[in-house]
Amino acid sequence: AQRVTQPEKLLSVFKGAPVELKCNYSYSGSPELFWYVQYSRQRLQLLLRHISRESIKGFTADLNKGETSFHLKKPFAQEEDSAMYYCAPYSGNTPLVFGKGTRLSVIA
Amino acid sequence: DARVTQTPRHKVTEMGQEVTMRCQPILGHNTVFWYRQTMMQGLELLAYFRNRAPLDDSGMPKDRFSAEMPDATLATLKIQPSEPRDSAVYFCASGLVQGAQYSNQPQHFGDGTRLSIL
Repeated sequence: AQRVTQPEKLLSVFKGAPVELKCNYSYSGSPELFWYVQYSRQRLQLLLRHISRESIKGFTADLNKGETSFHLKKPFAQEEDSAMYYCAPYSGNTPLVFGKGTRLSVIA
Repeated sequence: DARVTQTPRHKVTEMGQEVTMRCQPILGHNTVFWYRQTMMQGLELLAYFRNRAPLDDSGMPKDRFSAEMPDATLATLKIQPSEPRDSAVYFCASGLVQGAQYSNQPQHFGDGTRLSIL
């Protein structure tokens, strides 16, 4: 069964501290991995996808197929990073399967 | 900048009333998804369509929920009769799936309909 696990419901860090949002997945085949972000009372927006291997707003994520993980990282957190973050694998043949999400709170 | 459009943005109504939520997918997208977001459950997939045909609605309570795509530019989600436990934010998303040889396009989300059933 397709499953995504984001073990932390809430993650609080101080401004300037490093951030790592964990994501583990169980998925048949070779899915693409996405991270979506949802700022307060707004729509979900695509943050980044693993195939592009780019850094968006200072965030990066490396796909580790051996550990089936796709953790999201940022070296120095900013207050504007406070939001809900969702990890999602996607094969194109099935809808995005979202994790429960992690609420990141960056404290000034 | 193409966007998924959802109406209404907010809906407050009494228990037992019919609720209809509408979604206009991005032009050219062939797949439409309905999600429900609550604090307790997070994002749950209710139903999705490809080329207007329903592919999966197993996440939807069949006795009161129904989802349709009357045409390629409109998807609807209806609740009849509504109950307080249906209170949530309902998101529509659309995407383009072109086949195995193409990179999967990410889903684009609408702003959601915030539904409150009293």
